[in-house]
Amino acid sequence: DQQVKQNSPSLSVQEGRISILNCDYTNSMFDYFLWYKKYPAEGPTFLISISSIKDKNEDGRFTVFLNKSAKHLSLHIVPSQPGDSAVYFCAALGGANNLFFGTGTRLTVIP
Amino acid sequence: EPEVTQTPSHQVTQMGQEVILRCVPISNHLYFYWYRQILGQKVEFLVSFYNNEISEKSEIFDDQFSVERPDGSNFTLKIRSTKLEDSAMYFCATAPVGPEQYFGPGTRLTVT
Repeated sequence: DQQVKQNSPSLSVQEGRISILNCDYTNSMFDYFLWYKKYPAEGPTFLISISSIKDKNEDGRFTVFLNKSAKHLSLHIVPSQPGDSAVYFCAALGGANNLFFGTGTRLTVIP
Repeated sequence: EPEVTQTPSHQVTQMGQEVILRCVPISNHLYFYWYRQILGQKVEFLVSFYNNEISEKSEIFDDQFSVERPDGSNFTLKIRSTKLEDSAMYFCATAPVGPEQYFGPGTRLTVT
């Protein structure tokens, strides 16, 4: 099942700079996407979401961009902070409200 | 802030034994889910539950698995006869009417 892909397993960014995490999907029926953050020994924490009727959604330092024609979304974090260091999962909402997750990208923000 | 809780945090069991994983959803949430993550793999959907019945289940959720909400608060996942390959983190998630799902901290199941 490769319907949601995160091709970068890891990303390192200097504190204060922008972090860009990418996600691709293959199922054109997906119309709602979510980003989750996960710390070790914890469950995924909901961060931000976007509906396919939009191409951008912003919440504080977090912005998600959606390019439907490319089946691509990205999460921008600016400015990045050391506390943002975690694994970030992209997820797409299926027809039964089940989530299809990517494999995650480990973000390290260097102080 | 209300959160989803799960017990136990870690369960070790022998192959063939039954296990019950427990979840306490956020109180006004209506939709309940179980997911699992095998070490090094992606988080995978198991089952969704709404209005006291299963609304969707994945291929993973075979006859060895069952879910119930026995007392209107707890939401449980039972594995009848555990196999080695059932070793994973099991996450409960709950949702209000909207699509955002809120996850518990997980139960690490180790089958020996």
